[in-house]
Amino acid sequence: QKEVEQNSGPLSVPEGAIASLNCTYSDRVSQSFFWYRQYSGKSPELIMSIYSNGDKEDGRFTAQLNKASQYVSLLIRDSQPSDSATYLCAVMNTGFQKLVFGTGTRLLVSP
Amino acid sequence: DGGITQSPKYLFRKEGQNVTLSCEQNLNHDAMYWYRQDPGQGLRLIYYSQIVNDFQKGDIAEGYSVSREKKESFPLTVTSAQKNPTAFYLCASSIDPTGGRETQYFGPGTRLLVL
Repeated sequence: QKEVEQNSGPLSVPEGAIASLNCTYSDRVSQSFFWYRQYSGKSPELIMSIYSNGDKEDGRFTAQLNKASQYVSLLIRDSQPSDSATYLCAVMNTGFQKLVFGTGTRLLVSP
Repeated sequence: DGGITQSPKYLFRKEGQNVTLSCEQNLNHDAMYWYRQDPGQGLRLIYYSQIVNDFQKGDIAEGYSVSREKKESFPLTVTSAQKNPTAFYLCASSIDPTGGRETQYFGPGTRLLVL
């Protein structure tokens, strides 16, 4: 079992729709969770971080964390073509603070 | 401007050659990291350093070496022992690695190609 799993996609949504990106992790005692966006050929940039169960909203983005189910998600409301990118889920391991990355979900937002 | 810089943007390596990738940050971050990204794969940790003059192996350290002589600099050498070096190399830094909640920020990356 991979430590952090994401559906590789592509996830295709029309402009204006809600995009839902999902991630599961195997280390039950993980404490910190991050979503990064990566455009083709570029480096990852932080979208959201979340540490507690529940929802965290930042503009059009909402991160959701359920530690009991070992599940973290990212919702993008009013999706725009400029949101088309690969979204990487990253989980901070216990012990040394090592970030473990999923392989990413490719999102395509069509006009 | 504060940030992380990596150079060069593209690097070509010949067989048997060692090459060094540069990473500099002016964010006053304590921790620095090197990752490798292959197509369709997530980022894999090569080396990390939490403090000057100290560094630790990550998951795929074989064929790589690093140094941390200055807080702001963490160069990565890809040695001839690394048989499949073609990848996108990303440097990252974070404020305090012991905090448990500190976000890692990435530089623009170096793409290494083998001739």
